[in-house]
Amino acid sequence: AQSVTQLDSQVPVFEEAPVELRCNYSSSVSVYLFWYVQYPNQGLQLLLKYLSGSTLVKGINGFEAEFNKSQTSFHLRKPSVHISDTAEYFCAVRAQGAQKLVFGQGTRLTINP
Amino acid sequence: NAGVTQTPKFQVLKTGQSMTLQCAQDMNHEYMSWYRQDPGMGLRLIHYSVGAGITDQGEVPNGYNVSRSTTEDFPLRLLSAAPSQTSVYFCASSYSPLGGYPYEQYFGPGTRLTVT
Repeated sequence: AQSVTQLDSQVPVFEEAPVELRCNYSSSVSVYLFWYVQYPNQGLQLLLKYLSGSTLVKGINGFEAEFNKSQTSFHLRKPSVHISDTAEYFCAVRAQGAQKLVFGQGTRLTINP
Repeated sequence: NAGVTQTPKFQVLKTGQSMTLQCAQDMNHEYMSWYRQDPGMGLRLIHYSVGAGITDQGEVPNGYNVSRSTTEDFPLRLLSAAPSQTSVYFCASSYSPLGGYPYEQYFGPGTRLTVT
């Protein structure tokens, strides 16, 4: 079975500062990895995904993530955040050949002016 | 396309009552699923379906029933509501050839359910 751990439940940062949201996963088989964002009172939308190939993937709104197989990590980064990035972020994993998507607990990103 | 729609947006039930949360998608997606979201626990899979007439249990299926009579609709039934089912419920859908390419899951706006 797969599992996902998001190491920080809340991350406060100042506007225009860089941010990293950490995600570690566990799986006995190869996986696909995803980051989703949930703005207040909305559903989830896909930020980016890693399927194969280059370990650095770029997503919407200036976010990127790096897949590190040896560390079983998929951390999300943005070099300069904006107030509009205030949201909850979810890391998710799906085993290759499986249907189910397993989500982490979420990280609430708060941007202070 | 309307995408994934869910009704109602809010619902308050008394313990023991039953109700159905509606989910519909107009993208002709084979795969549909229901999640519940609770603080500090992320999203947990309740039930899912890989096509009309095919459903299976997820991580937390107890107290919920589903059916899939059409490609478009995937209702979630609460048989006898309990306070532990107070949560936000999300429906999602995607193209998903069995075991194949992991297309993006599209999420509905959610239903906020309170059981008193």
